[in-house]
Amino acid sequence: AQSVTQLGSHVSVSEGALVLLRCNYSSSVPPYLFWYVQYPNQGLQLLLKYTTGATLVKGINGFEAEFKKSETSFHLTKPSAHMSDAAEYFCAGHLGGSQGNLIFGKGTKLSVKP
Amino acid sequence: DTGVSQNPRHKITKRGQNVTFRCDPISEHNRLYWYRQTLGQGPEFLTYFQNEAQLEKSRLLSDRFSAERPKGSFSTLEIQRTEQGDSAMYLCASSDKGVGGLAIYEQYFGPGTRLTVT
Repeated sequence: AQSVTQLGSHVSVSEGALVLLRCNYSSSVPPYLFWYVQYPNQGLQLLLKYTTGATLVKGINGFEAEFKKSETSFHLTKPSAHMSDAAEYFCAGHLGGSQGNLIFGKGTKLSVKP
Repeated sequence: DTGVSQNPRHKITKRGQNVTFRCDPISEHNRLYWYRQTLGQGPEFLTYFQNEAQLEKSRLLSDRFSAERPKGSFSTLEIQRTEQGDSAMYLCASSDKGVGGLAIYEQYFGPGTRLTVT
């Protein structure tokens, strides 16, 4: 079955620390993968995407993610957390060749401590 | 580019009533998507349109739900005979075909309509 799994519903880091949010996928064909961020009472904002080509993709606000086919992973990282990064992050993918159905993980809420 | 807009932002209704939500996509985007997001969950796909054609519907879209995009621009999502289980955030997104066709996979989301059924 096609699926996206995010490990850890809550992650807490100190300001300035490394941010690592984990995402694994299951897809019968090469996937297209995305990370979105959602602030309270707002819609989702696209952070970055992997479609084809370079497996290390850079996004907005200093975030990046690496597509690892052998590990079926697409983890999101940021070297140094800012207070403004506190939000909920969703990994999503077009899996199984679907063009319309974007499958989301359950989300990871990131807290940043001063 | 004014982004995807959704109206209303909030809707409170009594069980059994009908509700309709509107979504205006980014103007040059020909694909439009509807998702439902409940508390603590990621968005779940409901349906999508390419221009005015509805190309895919999720099994989540029961007979009480209907979506239209009559002129290939804005879209409406109607829920008939609402139930408390319909309480959720309803998100709309749009995407463009773009050069090379890969842009269709980049979905841009609106702020959502939060529905509360009492």
